[in-house]
Amino acid sequence: AQRVTQPEKLLSVFKGAPVELKCNYSYSGSPELFWYVQYSRQRLQLLLRHISRESIKGFTADLNKGETSFHLKKPFAQEEDSAMYYCALSGNTPLVFGKGTRLSVIA
Amino acid sequence: GAGVSQSPSNKVTEKGKDVELRCDPISGHTALYWYRQSLGQGLEFLIYFQGNSAPDKSGLPSDRFSAERTGGSVSTLTIQRTQQEDSAVYLCASSLSIQGAFAPLHFGNGTRLTVT
Repeated sequence: AQRVTQPEKLLSVFKGAPVELKCNYSYSGSPELFWYVQYSRQRLQLLLRHISRESIKGFTADLNKGETSFHLKKPFAQEEDSAMYYCALSGNTPLVFGKGTRLSVIA
Repeated sequence: GAGVSQSPSNKVTEKGKDVELRCDPISGHTALYWYRQSLGQGLEFLIYFQGNSAPDKSGLPSDRFSAERTGGSVSTLTIQRTQQEDSAVYLCASSLSIQGAFAPLHFGNGTRLTVT
């Protein structure tokens, strides 16, 4: 079965501090991993995907198959990063989402 | 271009009533999904449609829930005999294919359903 675990419901950091949003997954095959973000009063949108190996808004995420993790990182948090973040897995079924982590960046 | 459009944006209904939620996907997107977003539960998959294939209904929580997609475009999610636990934001998304890194989901703004 496919499963995505985001252990933190809420993460608060100070502006300028590093951020790491944790995501672990369970899938026996070769997964596609994504991070989606929902800013206040906006629709849910794709932030980044592991296959692109890109950095979006300063965020990066590396797929670690040994640890079955896809943690989202940013070296210096900004206030505008405050949002709800969802990790998602695409395997052999439609996209499965974690329960989300609310990131709050404190000025 | 226009994104995924959902209507109504808000719906308040009495327990026991039926409701219909509508989704207009992005033109040309072959895949359409319904998810339910509730506090503490994240995004719960409900159903998806891919082209003319039979829909995957594996996420529907009960037989009170059903969905249709007419002409490969507009979709309607119907909840019969609504219960208070059905209160949530219902999100629709579309994509160019059902899975894969080259097919990100595009979400609508959702319909907030409140069952009183």
